[in-house]
Amino acid sequence: DGGITQSPKYLFRKEGQNVTLSCEQNLNHDAMYWYRQDPGQGLRLIYYSQIVNDFQKGDIAEGYSVSREKKESFPLTVTSAQKNPTAFYLCASSIRTGGLGTQYFGPGTRLTVL
Amino acid sequence: EDQVTQSPEALRLQEGESSSLNCSYTVSGLRGLFWYRQDPGKGPEFLFTLYSAGEEKEKERLKATLTKKESFLHITAPKPEDSATYLCAGGTGANNLFFGTGTRLTVIP
Repeated sequence: DGGITQSPKYLFRKEGQNVTLSCEQNLNHDAMYWYRQDPGQGLRLIYYSQIVNDFQKGDIAEGYSVSREKKESFPLTVTSAQKNPTAFYLCASSIRTGGLGTQYFGPGTRLTVL
Repeated sequence: EDQVTQSPEALRLQEGESSSLNCSYTVSGLRGLFWYRQDPGKGPEFLFTLYSAGEEKEKERLKATLTKKESFLHITAPKPEDSATYLCAGGTGANNLFFGTGTRLTVIP
């Protein structure tokens, strides 16, 4: 089955730790995205990538980093510089890079800071 | 400022009681309006994309419509399994999606 997988489903981070969230897709989509979802707020874009080895900051990139070494993979690292990382993180992908393609979402990772 | 506003925040319906969810937008150069369904603790599931005013799309008990200022998601004779949060998003380009905060729908048997 084609789709987007995210791991782990739940992640706990201690103060000062960096953690990496995994996102893999086998839809052959070119574009991939990371969003953050907080209660009472709309999804906010952290980073996006339209092509391998290239990515751009979204609206709330501070304290996060990404890489795009393979078309299928777009891992997100939450660094210790992110002051309020507890949230639900969603990865998405779309077939189009230049136009308005539909974004399809993974199941999400819930990150909690201890 | 580009933004999307959904109303109501929460809606409780009896099974079979039809209603509509509203998504109003102020997005310059809107190129598409998206509807998603999200179950608790899960990622959003794509429902519809609407590209121009007057367009309508249907899927089972759901019908989405679009005007120049807002979109409606009509739910006809809902069932308990339709309970979820429904999100809408306005798009101006591939990387510019403005999400609303969602309408949490509960359908009571």
